[in-house]
Amino acid sequence: EVQLVESGGGLVQPGGSLRLSCAASGFIFSSYWMHWVRQAPGTGLVWVSRINSDGSSTNYADSVKGRFTISRDNAKNTLYLQINSLRVEDTAVYYCARDLAVPSAPGAFDIWGQGTMVTVSS
Amino acid sequence: HSVLTQPPSASGTPGQRVTISCSGSSSNIGSNTVNWYQHLPGTAPKLLMYGNNQRPSGVPDRFSGSKSGTSASLAISGLQSEDEADYYCTSWDDSLSGYVFGTGTKVTVL
Repeated sequence: EVQLVESGGGLVQPGGSLRLSCAASGFIFSSYWMHWVRQAPGTGLVWVSRINSDGSSTNYADSVKGRFTISRDNAKNTLYLQINSLRVEDTAVYYCARDLAVPSAPGAFDIWGQGTMVTVSS
Repeated sequence: HSVLTQPPSASGTPGQRVTISCSGSSSNIGSNTVNWYQHLPGTAPKLLMYGNNQRPSGVPDRFSGSKSGTSASLAISGLQSEDEADYYCTSWDDSLSGYVFGTGTKVTVL
């Protein structure tokens, strides 16, 4: 079964750090670009970051640039999001998602994890 | 803040047709394709439409997508109770060098 499972969320104080993980199974992880998307309570989906298949290229939303780092370990079939200098407004469910990899349709995320909750509060 | 604008809500009775709009600009929808997602709170979002009007395997043909200029639309015909969910459009934005999601539309089946 094709599956993504996030972990690593939790309660952290402002200014703190967390590393989120996303374990992939059921597909050739190293062939796909991957993304992180978040949803703050009561709000909509927001794209956070993406990484290409071999990890050599990354992009970030302006709101997280310089504080978040996306990476991957293709040998472990795992995607990561290192989040530093956490702010209250980073409180959200964080989803990892697989890019469908259709050249004519960028941003088509066909497989999603169930999400992991990050709460930033003192 | 989102750069793709959707109506906050839409509704219809079972069997009716509902259309959701997504308004953007030349840097996103105007020059890139649009994808649509269905999201039930507490669950993983589901890809509903990609490349403006392509349905992934398993998505019923009651769902259809279109794009014109800097706007896109998702239509749901033959509305069913299980269609009650939040719907989001998304597109790549050339100016931001990132993906942007719409503000989201909550569909209610009356």
